[in-house]
Order: sequence, then C-alpha cells, then structure tokens
Amino acid sequence: GAVVSQHPSRVICKSGTSVKIECRSLDFQATTMFWYRQFPKQSLMLMATSNEGSKATYEQGVEKDKFLINHASLTLSTLTVTSAHPEDSSFYICSARDWGPRGNTGELFFGEGSRLTVL
Amino acid sequence: EDKVVQSPLSLVVHEGDTVTLNCSYEVTNFRSLLWYKQEKKAPTFLFMLTSSGIEKKSGRLSSILDKKELFSILNITATQTGDSAIYLCAGAGNDMRFGAGTRLTVKP
Repeated sequence: GAVVSQHPSRVICKSGTSVKIECRSLDFQATTMFWYRQFPKQSLMLMATSNEGSKATYEQGVEKDKFLINHASLTLSTLTVTSAHPEDSSFYICSARDWGPRGNTGELFFGEGSRLTVL
Repeated sequence: EDKVVQSPLSLVVHEGDTVTLNCSYEVTNFRSLLWYKQEKKAPTFLFMLTSSGIEKKSGRLSSILDKKELFSILNITATQTGDSAIYLCAGAGNDMRFGAGTRLTVKP
C-alpha cells in the first residue's frame, strides 16, 4: 500500500525552542495532508488541513502562529511547533489522501507519528 | 459543524464474544466512512465504506454503512485478545474527522 513517512518519530526539546516535523508521501502525490494531535487515551484531533501550494486550513482553537504548516510540494508537508511549551507535548500524526489509481476513493494513509516532549 | 460520534466509548468482553461498534456522522460533502484500529502508534486501516447497505468483510470483521441514517457499524465476531485496541471511525468529506474511538478490551 501507499506509504507516508513521518520524521522524527520522537523529539525532546527545551521550552521556548521550535520543532519541525516532516510528513512525506513516498509513492504517491498528496495534494492534501492532515495533521492530527492525540493526547493519551484520546482520539485523533484534527488540527489542520494542509493543501499543496496554498495556506493550511486550521481547526477552531488551533493557533496558526503556534503550529506553522507548510505544504510546499506534492509529497511534503511540515508542521513546526514554535516556541514550544510543556503543554504542547503530545503525539502528532500526519496523514495523506491518495486519489491516484491505487486509492482512487481517497483512502487515508498515516505517518508513524511523532512524539513530542517539551521539557 | 462536522462531527463523528462513536459508541460505546469503552467495551470489555471475553474471548469468543461478538461485539458491535457504532458510528454516527455529520460530514459536509460526505465521500466515505472509514474504520481504523489503533493499538500503539498510528491507526491501521480496516474498511472504507462509500455505499449504503453493502457489507464489507475481512475475516471476523465486517462493516456496513447506512447513508440515510448517517450511521455505520463495525462487527467483530469470535473476538480474540488480539482484537483489544481502540477502534476509530472517520468521516471523509471536505476533511477527515475522527470520532472519539471505542476502546475494546477482550479478556481471555
């Protein structure tokens, strides 16, 4: 099946620093990628929809200046957590939709997730 | 506002039992309803449903969609301890929105 790669899988940083998480679709083009946040024992919360070549659409309550999303190519979207604080510690997962011949009904493929710990 | 609601939130059964997980949705420009199983990290895909009344099966798992009632169910028969996980449903429309999940625990 289609592959989405997310990096890094785990990152620990100091409060006040910025952290960038990359999400790549390895064998298909993804015009749309989604970024989710997941707290322990909770479901996936949609943070934003990332569209290639245009601005991301953020969900209500998600600070766009805090969580910068860039989708500069059809295979790469990045999430940058700026001036990270301990409350930003969470599991972040990206996903991409494959509208190509293999998944022409728009199946969603997930990255492996990135666990962010802010000290 | 789009929303996906799953029930029950938690379920504990014994091996061999049959379970039914529920998912209702309100999604703008609805395209499909998806079910995922999440154990440790990223969810793994189970089913994608786009048409009403057509049951999809994979081993002991099956799922069906009712587009009139905006509802889907996921059935697991003869449950095993390895079925213990969080089961997520998601409505795909303009975006992809997940329900809160059902935490299934299968005891030996």
